[in-house]
Amino acid sequence: DQQVKQNSPSLSVQEGRISILNCDYTNSMFDYFLWYKKYPAEGPTFLISISSIKDKNEDGRFTVFLNKSAKHLSLHIVPSQPGDSAVYFCAAANAGGTSYGKLTFGQGTILTVHP
Amino acid sequence: DAGVTQSPTHLIKTRGQHVTLRCSPISGHKSVSWYQQVLGQGPQFIFQYYEKEERGRGNFPDRFSARQFPNYSSELNVNALLLGDSALYLCASSTRVGPSSYEQYFGPGTRLTVT
Repeated sequence: DQQVKQNSPSLSVQEGRISILNCDYTNSMFDYFLWYKKYPAEGPTFLISISSIKDKNEDGRFTVFLNKSAKHLSLHIVPSQPGDSAVYFCAAANAGGTSYGKLTFGQGTILTVHP
Repeated sequence: DAGVTQSPTHLIKTRGQHVTLRCSPISGHKSVSWYQQVLGQGPQFIFQYYEKEERGRGNFPDRFSARQFPNYSSELNVNALLLGDSALYLCASSTRVGPSSYEQYFGPGTRLTVT
């Protein structure tokens, strides 16, 4: 049962343009969402998070949008840079639950930014 | 500052054997979580430990166990290895337990191959 889904296995964009990565979830108990970036041979790196009480969170070139009614979130990267090329994972948590530290990850989207 | 470190980097075991994976968290981090990442999938939560106590457990069989030591380092043990246990095992540390623990810092992982 895939509770967090990233339906696009890959995304290719031109340097300087916007990258939009999408994520859907099915578990209505999720109330905290995160994006991680992963380079080959490295562990995932935390990028940005959002609580369900917000619908938008910005950090520099990265913005995460949350649509609770649609159970959908997206990560916008503007402008995209070649160094952003990596696998991006969406993750969700039930912050009010009892299984502390449990993140449920999507399958990942490979982003390639072309110079 | 040193990040999360894991050892060994790679490991090859035979079905039925036992394996121990090790993790040292970032200095000052008291919470350690373990994840399994199978090729092409996102990481899947196995355990979280905080102050040497198990605080969360994922949907893994009893062959998987872990512990945390007084210096907050951790071991993941897997008994009676199966071919399906072949995966990248990720350790993550964070500063707190509970909802704030979701912004986790990952190590590079241990690649386990079971033949």
